[in-house]
Amino acid sequence: EVQLVESGGGLVQPGGSLRLSCAASGFTFSSPWMTWVRQTPGKGLEWVANINPDGSEKLSVDSVRGRFTISRDNAKNSLYLQLNSLRVEDTAVYYCARGLGYMDVWGKGTTVTVSS
Amino acid sequence: QSALTQPASVSGSPGQSITISCTETSSDVGGYNYVSWYQQHPGKAPKVIIYDVRNRPSGVSNRFSGSKSGNTASLTISGLQVEDEADYYCSSFRSSSPVVFGGGTKLTVL
Repeated sequence: EVQLVESGGGLVQPGGSLRLSCAASGFTFSSPWMTWVRQTPGKGLEWVANINPDGSEKLSVDSVRGRFTISRDNAKNSLYLQLNSLRVEDTAVYYCARGLGYMDVWGKGTTVTVSS
Repeated sequence: QSALTQPASVSGSPGQSITISCTETSSDVGGYNYVSWYQQHPGKAPKVIIYDVRNRPSGVSNRFSGSKSGNTASLTISGLQVEDEADYYCSSFRSSSPVVFGGGTKLTVL
């Protein structure tokens, strides 16, 4: 079964850091682009970042550039998102997804809450 | 960077057809090339139902169809069913540019 499982979310104070992980199974992880998407409470979807198959190309939305870093370990079938200098407005459910132009497999998400 | 505008809500009765629009507002009058649509039920992850403007992934009902004219893409759901009640998001992508999502449309099946 093709599956993505996120972990690493939690409650953190403003200015703090978290590392999100996404474990992939059921497909050749080293082949596709991978993407992080977030959804703030009661709001819409926002693309956060994506990374090419070998990790050499990365794109991110302006609001997180310089604070969040996407990476992957193809040997471990894992995608990561390092979140630094967190702000209250980063509070959201973070989804890991497979694909670039469109995302055909999604995890169930992990919740990040930034609050003092 | 472009923005995608969707109606906040649409509604329809079982058996009817509805269309959700997704209009790109940007300085690029050429429009966007890769449009996808996602369905999201409350508390669930999004699910792709249309990609590359009009293609349906395996397993998605043929009641869902996509089209595009100029800078506006559309999702049509025919033969509305109660289980179609959900939020729907369009998304566009161009090579080497960020992915953009529309603001989402809440579909109510009356």
